[in-house]
Amino acid sequence: GQNIDQPTEMTATEGAIVQINCTYQTSGFNGLFWYQQHAGEAPTFLSYNVLDGLEEKGRFSSFLSRSKGYSYLLLKELQMKDSASYLCAAADSNYQLIWGAGTKLIIKP
Amino acid sequence: GAVVSQHPSWVICKSGTSVKIECRSLDFQATTMFWYRQFPKQSLMLMATSNEGSKATYEQGVEKDKFLINHASLTLSTLTVTSAHPEDSSFYICSARDPREGDTGELFFGEGSRLTVL
Repeated sequence: GQNIDQPTEMTATEGAIVQINCTYQTSGFNGLFWYQQHAGEAPTFLSYNVLDGLEEKGRFSSFLSRSKGYSYLLLKELQMKDSASYLCAAADSNYQLIWGAGTKLIIKP
Repeated sequence: GAVVSQHPSWVICKSGTSVKIECRSLDFQATTMFWYRQFPKQSLMLMATSNEGSKATYEQGVEKDKFLINHASLTLSTLTVTSAHPEDSSFYICSARDPREGDTGELFFGEGSRLTVL
């Protein structure tokens, strides 16, 4: 079956770095998305990886290893506004997104 | 960037009534829109794929007669929750891709609609 695993909750300190991991199993693979979702709001796009390696975008970076079925989202210089859920989603062979349950990130001062 | 707008943001209704939620793509034409529901602290669950000019494709376990989807134009899809019951209370979100960006383009989400059925 198709499955996405990511930690339920993580806690980090303001100004620090945090890495949120995601492993996936899908029927075919057409890329890995990361979305940010604040409580009570719709998700917003953060990144898309389809090739192996690290993609950097400001304070956020996303990594993909297709052979390992693994991705991570790296957040640097954490700010209080980064407190949110981070959703990992993999696109299968039909380009349908398979969603993880999300990782709730709590930032402490 | 592309914008998807959803209305209403909040709706409270009595059990047994029907509620309509609208999803509009504001600056692109969406031949396909996706409807999700999300329970607290849970993942997005795809309910159905709305196709302009044809019937929606429903995911397994989603009742077609209860969740009516109409994609009447290239910029509007509607989800009607018929004979709503308290267990239908949830956060409903629509999304769409700009077709010019292909199948792996960014999914743009509407603001979401929180339905509470009393």
